[in-house]
Amino acid sequence: NAGVTQTPKFRVLKTGQSMTLLCAQDMNHEYMYWYRQDPGMGLRLIHYSVGEGTTAKGEVPDGYNVSRLKKQNFLLGLESAAPSQTSVYFCASSYSTYTNYGYTFGSGTRLTVV
Amino acid sequence: SQQGEEDPQALSIQEGENATMNCSYKTSINNLQWYRQNSGRGLVHLILIRSNEREKHSGRLRVTLDTSKKSSSLLITASRAADTASYFCATATGYQLIWGAGTKLIIKP
Repeated sequence: NAGVTQTPKFRVLKTGQSMTLLCAQDMNHEYMYWYRQDPGMGLRLIHYSVGEGTTAKGEVPDGYNVSRLKKQNFLLGLESAAPSQTSVYFCASSYSTYTNYGYTFGSGTRLTVV
Repeated sequence: SQQGEEDPQALSIQEGENATMNCSYKTSINNLQWYRQNSGRGLVHLILIRSNEREKHSGRLRVTLDTSKKSSSLLITASRAADTASYFCATATGYQLIWGAGTKLIIKP
């Protein structure tokens, strides 16, 4: 039972480059989320999706785009990477919109922008 | 914006002792959840307590919730080296979880 799988695990980008982070879940969860985690801070929500074909902005959406073409996949894109986007990115999924269940997290992608 | 604030920021105890972490929040909630994060790993859901519950147990974990004080505590009994991790509380308000900055717990052998 894989749960939530994130690829890649590590990446170094040059300023201005683009990349896509992939999140895949095999639990048939409707809801998926992208977070970033910076030292000394809690998780900050970038974008989320409440179902296939839907996306919504979270707390810190600027500089990121997302797509949910298939229920099991949630992609996070950086069109023009900036050093401020150096962070650890986590994807999560859950059953319920009303957060009555815990989230299942992936193991993270450590991104460095130089 | 962070709603949950954990206290203390860091805690170091001897193996076998109990560890208590606290979480305070600002607005009304549907539930409050605790997660563990081992170094370099993703977060793992530990326990969820609903707003109409006051106490919940899961193995060596005990969580309390006081909605009048807008606070929660996580007690880990008989700590083990494997409990070394960061612990986060997250408050559920509608569609989202709002996270605190975490408590870093170190268990000394």
